[in-house]
Amino acid sequence: DTAVSQTPKYLVTQMGNDKSIKCEQNLGHDTMYWYKQDSKKFLKIMFSYNNKELIINETVPNRFSPKSPDKAHLNLHINSLELGDSAVYFCASSHSRGEQYFGPGTRLTVT
Amino acid sequence: EDQVTQSPEALRLQEGESSSLNCSYTVSGLRGLFWYRQDPGKGPEFLFTLYSAGEEKEKERLKATLTKKESFLHITAPKPEDSATYLCAVQADRYSTLTFGKGTMLLVSP
Repeated sequence: DTAVSQTPKYLVTQMGNDKSIKCEQNLGHDTMYWYKQDSKKFLKIMFSYNNKELIINETVPNRFSPKSPDKAHLNLHINSLELGDSAVYFCASSHSRGEQYFGPGTRLTVT
Repeated sequence: EDQVTQSPEALRLQEGESSSLNCSYTVSGLRGLFWYRQDPGKGPEFLFTLYSAGEEKEKERLKATLTKKESFLHITAPKPEDSATYLCAVQADRYSTLTFGKGTMLLVSP
């Protein structure tokens, strides 16, 4: 059974488009996260949700909007995509903000 | 601001050649230090959590240790399948998220 899953795995789109990435966890965790890993492999937190409530919102353009329909799901919607948004996006989850378990990643390429 | 510095950036070992990876950190208060392994094209895989100086944890050929300023990931008699990028992260308190280092890319040759 996959603990943290993301769809799609690859996403290729043009500048200006709007796209969404979905994340689901079956670990029963109460906190979920979105990270961005750039071309230099540096992993940086974007958002964190605890029990469906946004608790961390780092300096991220407001074109990025997370949505948590329930504790097991955290989706990321991106408006007006730009070239600089190209990266790998990881979803993660944890119990009470302990060790985090990561999904397989979504490689976003904006052309 | 929390900071994590990992060294070396890359390490090449022969199979069976033991070595250590370093993670130096600056944090206001340490709730936990985490080690992850990341294979190409995959998400980080959790390895260890260390909570206080002097603590050690082991898993197969890996052993993580913690002092007040740094953590080491010791790899004993590595095998090619240990090749991966190893990431270190710190959490300042239970309300903080993780701050990651840039990782050490380990390559073990047969």
